[in-house]
Amino acid sequence: DQQVKQNSPSLSVQEGRISILNCDYTNSMFDYFLWYKKYPAEGPTFLISISSIKDKNEDGRFTVFLNKSAKHLSLHIVPSQPGDSAVYFCAAAQGGSEKLVFGKGMKLTVNP
Amino acid sequence: AAGVIQSPRHLIKEKRETATLKCYPIPRHDTVYWYQQGPGQDPQFLISFYEKMQSDKGSIPDRFSAQQFSDYHSELNMSSLELGDSALYFCASSLRGGRSPYSYEQYFGPGTRLTVT
Repeated sequence: DQQVKQNSPSLSVQEGRISILNCDYTNSMFDYFLWYKKYPAEGPTFLISISSIKDKNEDGRFTVFLNKSAKHLSLHIVPSQPGDSAVYFCAAAQGGSEKLVFGKGMKLTVNP
Repeated sequence: AAGVIQSPRHLIKEKRETATLKCYPIPRHDTVYWYQQGPGQDPQFLISFYEKMQSDKGSIPDRFSAQQFSDYHSELNMSSLELGDSALYFCASSLRGGRSPYSYEQYFGPGTRLTVT
């Protein structure tokens, strides 16, 4: 059973526009959420995270929003750049456990 | 900045052979995690170690074992390899003692691609 879901397998946006990547989760015990970016032949690179006590966290061009009642989070990238083209994974962690539970990833393509 | 180092990057083995994957965490990181990513799949947590002790365990087959050494590097030993073990194996590290009290922000290595033929 997939506890972290990224329902859209891909997204294509124009350079300079906003990219919005969505993620849903089913386990209400998750209390920490992370986004990773992955290029081919490389390991996932940590991007940004958010604790369940917050509803927004911002770091430069990246902002993560958390809606606990809807069990939904999203990553906003603005402005999008061609170098942002990669596979993005949403991940979640539950207090007391160190394991990250990943979604299946979503491929973002930013066109020049 | 130093990153997580994994070796080898690629490994080809035959069925029923054994394989050893190595992971060198970011300096000063005390916790190591192993993940397995099958083709088109999300990374699946296998096992983690903190200060040389197993700290959490996921869906790791009994044919696999792992340990963390005094220098904090870790090795994943895989025996009686099966075709289904072909995957990308990631190691990640973190410095525990972050938030409450675990550090969830894990930093991943480039992975070892294991192919079992």
